[in-house]
Amino acid sequence: AQTVTQSQPEMSVQEAETVTLSCTYDTSESDYYLFWYKQPPSRQMILVIRQEAYKQQNATENRFSVNFQKAAKSFSLKISDSQLGDAAMYFCAYRSLNTGFQKLVFGTGTRLLVSP
Amino acid sequence: DVKVTQSSRYLVKRTGEKVFLECVQDMDHENMFWYRQDPGLGLRLIYFSYDVKMKEKGDIPEGYSVSREKKERFSLILESASTNQTSMYLCASRDRGPMNTEAFFGQGTRLTVV
Repeated sequence: AQTVTQSQPEMSVQEAETVTLSCTYDTSESDYYLFWYKQPPSRQMILVIRQEAYKQQNATENRFSVNFQKAAKSFSLKISDSQLGDAAMYFCAYRSLNTGFQKLVFGTGTRLLVSP
Repeated sequence: DVKVTQSSRYLVKRTGEKVFLECVQDMDHENMFWYRQDPGLGLRLIYFSYDVKMKEKGDIPEGYSVSREKKERFSLILESASTNQTSMYLCASRDRGPMNTEAFFGQGTRLTVV
């Protein structure tokens, strides 16, 4: 079974600075998706960024980018120019392309604190 | 915009009660999911459904059941609520197909069993 590990329960960053959230995963599959989801205090989970495992190029979405290292099974999220609105829980998630109904497997989350 | 709506944001129930958590999506998605979220444990899948009247157990189905009589609605049922089921419950939906990557979530129901 696939597992996702987020080893940082909490991270802090100052506004305008850059922070990196770590995620590692374990799988024997070669085709899959990886995601970062954001859960602000409103509790609404929002997709931040996705990465297809077959793509070598790292995904970027505005101030958010990932460092995808397939061989190392590592998928970190970098947030540049941090803003107060980035404060939230961040979840890393994995989804197989080969398993029946492609459920999402989540890590335990990292709480990001942003200070002015 | 895709909308996934959970019927309650907060719910307080007594031990032994039968509890229904309702979820409705408006995007005609085939797949719907119920997750439980606990601090330090992340989100864990309880049940999912890939079609009307079809369901599959997730990782922690014990003490729960589900119902999907209509495509847009997926209900989570706690047959006899217990205090260890106090948690945040999140519903999600996603379209069919491996290339439809994004799952859309409801705003969660925080259930307290006393």
